[in-house]
Amino acid sequence: GAVVSQHPSRVICKSGTSVKIECRSLDFQATTMFWYRQFPKQSLMLMATSNEGSKATYEQGVEKDKFLINHASLTLSTLTVTSAHPEDSSFYICSAPHRQGSGNTIYFGEGSWLTVV
Amino acid sequence: KQEVTQIPAALSVPEGENLVLNCSFTDSAIYNLQWFRQDPGKGLTSLLLIQSSQREQTSGRLNASLDKSSGRSTLYIAASQPGDSATYLCAVRRNNNDMRFGAGTRLTVKP
Repeated sequence: GAVVSQHPSRVICKSGTSVKIECRSLDFQATTMFWYRQFPKQSLMLMATSNEGSKATYEQGVEKDKFLINHASLTLSTLTVTSAHPEDSSFYICSAPHRQGSGNTIYFGEGSWLTVV
Repeated sequence: KQEVTQIPAALSVPEGENLVLNCSFTDSAIYNLQWFRQDPGKGLTSLLLIQSSQREQTSGRLNASLDKSSGRSTLYIAASQPGDSATYLCAVRRNNNDMRFGAGTRLTVKP
């Protein structure tokens, strides 16, 4: 069945460095993917909508220059956290809609835990 | 702007109790509503999905209801078990496929 895969599942990076998180749709194409962030003991907040072949759409308050999103193919979206700071430590998760019949189903990746030290 | 609220924020019950988790949303123009479970340090596990045209869904000991006109959903858990301890998230999906999540209810079921 349709699956969304995220990599890495856990990553530790040093302050000031950049880290890339990948979101792949397996067995289906996704022209749109969604990136969410979850701080400890808080809910998931939509960060941006990733659009294949065009610029991502960012939610209010999300810095587009800090959280670079690239959707270069129909099965891959990447989120790059640039110049990471400890406050960027969070759980990042992506989702992708898969068209099935007259509707579509949203599939979530497994999530990526980022720790910035 | 769609806002999703979950009450209570935390709940602790003895094993065997039936319980109800509440979710409310401000914009009734939804595509569907979904309940997830999240264990500490883990991702999301989908529990139940209710389409906007439906009123409830059941899976095992779980029953979710949806009253779209009043902007409410409930998740009923029967005969709770310690293994049910987790955070339960309610999420409302809009027609453009993005989802808005509530802050969750942290459930603890004591043996």
